[in-house]
Amino acid sequence: KNQVEQSPQSLIILEGKNCTLQCNYTVSPFSNLRWYKQDTGRGPVSLTIMTFSENTKSNGRYTATLDADTKQSSLHITASQLSDSASYICVVSAWISGAGSYQLTFGKGTKLSVIP
Amino acid sequence: DAGVTQSPTHLIKTRGQQVTLRCSPKSGHDTVSWYQQALGQGPQFIFQYYEEEERQRGNFPDRFSGHQFPNYSSELNVNALLLGDSALYLCASSFGGPGNTIYFGEGSWLTVV
Repeated sequence: KNQVEQSPQSLIILEGKNCTLQCNYTVSPFSNLRWYKQDTGRGPVSLTIMTFSENTKSNGRYTATLDADTKQSSLHITASQLSDSASYICVVSAWISGAGSYQLTFGKGTKLSVIP
Repeated sequence: DAGVTQSPTHLIKTRGQQVTLRCSPKSGHDTVSWYQQALGQGPQFIFQYYEEEERQRGNFPDRFSGHQFPNYSSELNVNALLLGDSALYLCASSFGGPGNTIYFGEGSWLTVV
């Protein structure tokens, strides 16, 4: 069964500090890994998409890493801001050739709170 | 260019009733997927539509059904509502292969009382 596990469940950091969120997955066949930011009560917004061959991808203060061998990814947030307070969801995509489409498996997310 | 739009944003229904949620995909997108997200949980895949046909389905009962129209917009119908159906229902749209960005709408909050 395809699974995505995220840690920690929740995290509180001071404004201006850095943090790293973790994602472990068992999804096959792997297509790509995405990180989304979801504000409370809103739809998820894409931060990064990484394929098998990509190790690192940045989007502003967000940097995602991927180790396809160990099936682990991390999202590093630099110089955190109050607006970074949200849930960060790791999503792994599997390409279902029989259906000719992808299937997404979502983690439960890490709830980040940035405090002044 | 409007992104993915969903309606209604909030609604309250009574157990046993039926509900229809609507989604307009981002312009140029032909694939629509629906997800259910309970409080504190990640989204759970309900089904995906492409060219007006259900292409994939998650582990949801037949009470959950959908439709895609020729303009790629989509509906999610839930019959015989249960208290456990209370959740945020998300619509996502995409175009092309698995590496393309998937855009989510803001969701429809359903409360079943």
